Amino acid sequence: DIQMTQSPSSLSASVGDRVTITCRASQSITSFLNWYQQKPGKAPILLIYAASNLQSGVPSRFSGRGSGTDFTLTISSLQPEDFATYYCQQSYSSPLYTFGQGTKLEIK
Amino acid sequence: EVQLVESGGGLVQPGRSLRLSCAASGFTFHGYAMHWVRQTPGKGLEWVSSINWNNGNIDYADSVKGRFTISRDDAKNSLYLQMDSLRPEDTALYYCAKDIGGIATVGNYFDYWGQGTLVTVSS
Repeated sequence: DIQMTQSPSSLSASVGDRVTITCRASQSITSFLNWYQQKPGKAPILLIYAASNLQSGVPSRFSGRGSGTDFTLTISSLQPEDFATYYCQQSYSSPLYTFGQGTKLEIK
Repeated sequence: EVQLVESGGGLVQPGRSLRLSCAASGFTFHGYAMHWVRQTPGKGLEWVSSINWNNGNIDYADSVKGRFTISRDDAKNSLYLQMDSLRPEDTALYYCAKDIGGIATVGNYFDYWGQGTLVTVSS
């Protein structure tokens, strides 16, 4: 199975900060990497697909980069509604999808 | 507006069965692959099972293979998960999720999720 490792596991930041979350795959997944946001008590929401494509309706302050094994999700200027948990997901070995363990983004 | 509404969760003893349902609306259900994903505080998000648009391809995570059965009724716009021989480690919030395509293939992803239904396996 392809393992996905996110770092950091948690992060404290302030409104207006630029934040980057990293996701590493245990083997190359080319660009088949997706990012989801989840708020407490809510379902995950798709943010980024295929490493760098912004899902319709997602603010442009979110961006994704990477290929192979190393990927990043960047929020250019944190807004209050961005405090949530973020998950990466590989779809290279579809349908045997695997997710990262999550990165909890908290208010400093 | 796409909506996915799960139901059927609850408290069940180990070894017993439970059937989850997911009612879909707001899109052409029969044209899309569908998935079940579960979430626990300890293990995070775990893909459970997928079914393609035409019931032609069904897949399961190793952790549930032989115990869980996914199915769909396109006439009722519904997805199901029959869970047998339940174990305490199956305790989780179960989500249904819509695939972007008709087949769960390389590169696809989940563009809509339901709110989840909680399954607790305990004596």
